[in-house]
Amino acid sequence: AQSVTQLGSHVSVSEGALVLLRCNYSSSVPPYLFWYVQYPNQGLQLLLKYTSAATLVKGINGFEAEFKKSETSFHLTKPSAHMSDAAEYFCAVSAQGGSEKLVFGKGTKLTVNP
Amino acid sequence: GAGVSQSPSNKVTEKGKDVELRCDPISGHTALYWYRQSLGQGLEFLIYFQGNSAPDKSGLPSDRFSAERTGGSVSTLTIQRTQQEDSAVYLCASSLIGSETNTQYFGPGTRLTVL
Repeated sequence: AQSVTQLGSHVSVSEGALVLLRCNYSSSVPPYLFWYVQYPNQGLQLLLKYTSAATLVKGINGFEAEFKKSETSFHLTKPSAHMSDAAEYFCAVSAQGGSEKLVFGKGTKLTVNP
Repeated sequence: GAGVSQSPSNKVTEKGKDVELRCDPISGHTALYWYRQSLGQGLEFLIYFQGNSAPDKSGLPSDRFSAERTGGSVSTLTIQRTQQEDSAVYLCASSLIGSETNTQYFGPGTRLTVL
């Protein structure tokens, strides 16, 4: 069984500040991990994914995440927030090796203040 | 097409009516998934299809929900005798099995409102 916990349903940062969105996972098998972003009234867009290669994963829009097996974490970071980063972010896990369903966290809504 | 498309984008129906939601996956993608996004439950898996294999229906919440995928491409999610708790955004995703790792590409969703 797999699960994802996202700490903080709402995160607020100032423009230019560090963005840190937390994700912890539980998986009985080696996982694949994903971050998706959802802008208002839109579908989910893939930001980045961990697939058992490099533990530090770089994605689009300047985001990156680090897979830490010992901490069962996959936190999302961005050094400097932009107003356009305001959206909801979802962490998801699936089992490696096949066309497995995604199990999502509850999401974190990011607000960027000018 | 360039991405996953879904129709309609919005659907308002009365309690007790049946609805059909359509998903057109990315051309050539062999796997297709349906998820539901609601305020109370977040993002939940409903069903997935892969090639000619039997679909994984483990996420369907009741027997009022069903889905089919015709010709390995287009999929229709049907909800019979809709209830107010069915109100949600229904998201479809597709992926190409055998390529990179289960990267699912999502459509814009259908927002269902049951009055």
